[in-house]
Amino acid sequence: AQSVAQPEDQVNVAEGNPLTVKCTYSVSGNPYLFWYVQYPNRGLQFLLKYITGDNLVKGSYGFEAEFNKSQTSFHLKKPSALVSDSALYFCAVRALFSGGYNKLIFGAGTRLAVHP
Amino acid sequence: SQTIHQWPATLVQPVGSPLSLECTVEGTSNPNLYWYRQAAGRGLQLLFYSVGIGQISSEVPQNLSASRPQDRQFILSSKKLLLSDSGFYLCAWSHSGISYEQYFGPGTRLTVT
Repeated sequence: AQSVAQPEDQVNVAEGNPLTVKCTYSVSGNPYLFWYVQYPNRGLQFLLKYITGDNLVKGSYGFEAEFNKSQTSFHLKKPSALVSDSALYFCAVRALFSGGYNKLIFGAGTRLAVHP
Repeated sequence: SQTIHQWPATLVQPVGSPLSLECTVEGTSNPNLYWYRQAAGRGLQLLFYSVGIGQISSEVPQNLSASRPQDRQFILSSKKLLLSDSGFYLCAWSHSGISYEQYFGPGTRLTVT
């Protein structure tokens, strides 16, 4: 079965420090991986994706993610956190419907709190 | 560029009343469309997906139904709401067959009283 896990309910980091939000996945075949961010009472915003190519993927708002095949991980990172980065972050992996159509399986989410 | 709209933004409905939430996408054609429910500000549950007009598939059995009367319109409905239907409902779209990321609307907060 295909799945994605975000082992931390919450991550706390001081402003200006680097941040990491963890994600591990389980898929059959090549993984297609995504990160989204959600601010309170808003829809999810797409941050970045890994389909193929370089293991380090750069996305919006200074975020990047590192794909590690051997560890089946896709951790989200940012070199210097901002208070405005405080939000709920979701990792997702592509799965297939019956009939070959695509869907995304989302992790449970990690709440990032950046303190001034 | 593409945009996705949802309305209403918030809704308070009594138990047993009907429901209709609407989602429309602009700037693309033949998108895949999705309805999700998010409970307690956390995980997303896929409710329905559609790959074309009149083509709806349900991920979980429930009190809700979906329809796609036009290419870029996706409607979530219920004949009689339950308390457990309360939540944050998100519509999303993706390109059909080209890329896999989904783009989400602003959501509808539904409270069933």
